[in-house]
Amino acid sequence: GQSLEQPSEVTAVEGAIVQINCTYQTSGFYGLSWYQQHDGGAPTFLSYNALDGLEETGRFSSFLSRSDSYGYLLLQELQMKDSASYFCAVSADSWGKLQFGAGTQVVVTP
Amino acid sequence: DAGVTQSPTHLIKTRGQQVTLRCSPKSGHDTVSWYQQALGQGPQFIFQYYEEEERQRGNFPDRFSGHQFPNYSSELNVNALLLGDSALYLCASSLASSGSSDTQYFGPGTRLTVL
Repeated sequence: GQSLEQPSEVTAVEGAIVQINCTYQTSGFYGLSWYQQHDGGAPTFLSYNALDGLEETGRFSSFLSRSDSYGYLLLQELQMKDSASYFCAVSADSWGKLQFGAGTQVVVTP
Repeated sequence: DAGVTQSPTHLIKTRGQQVTLRCSPKSGHDTVSWYQQALGQGPQFIFQYYEEEERQRGNFPDRFSGHQFPNYSSELNVNALLLGDSALYLCASSLASSGSSDTQYFGPGTRLTVL
């Protein structure tokens, strides 16, 4: 079958570092994206990895290993505003269809 | 630069009714995808429209249909509503020529409640 697995919840304090892992099993793979969503609002694009390795964008970094069907999102210097749901999503075909995981709720505490 | 817009923001319907949701893509985008997001779940792909045609479809029944207009805006129609259709419906736009690497921009969604 096709699936994306990520932890349901992660709690950390302000200033800490959080890593959200994502393992996937899909019929097609063109890349792995990460989206942030606050309380049922619009998912906001964070990063995209098509090739193995680390991509860094400010406080957020994303990693992909295609051979392991695995990726992660690293959130550094956590801020209260980072409290949200984070979704990994596989681009399953060349037309950009996205398959999402169930999401990880990140709770940042003072 | 206007982002993706959706209307209405909230909608309440009863079982058996029909509903139409609307989406205007980000300026310059020509492809619209629709997703259903149940509470506590990730978005699920419904279908994608390009050049006014349904290009691909997810695992949703024929009660879900759509349309794309010449200005690239799109509608999602759901017939014979069921309680299980209650969800946040998200529209995402992208540029076809960018292929799978293009960022998909999501609208704020329409919250549909079926009673």
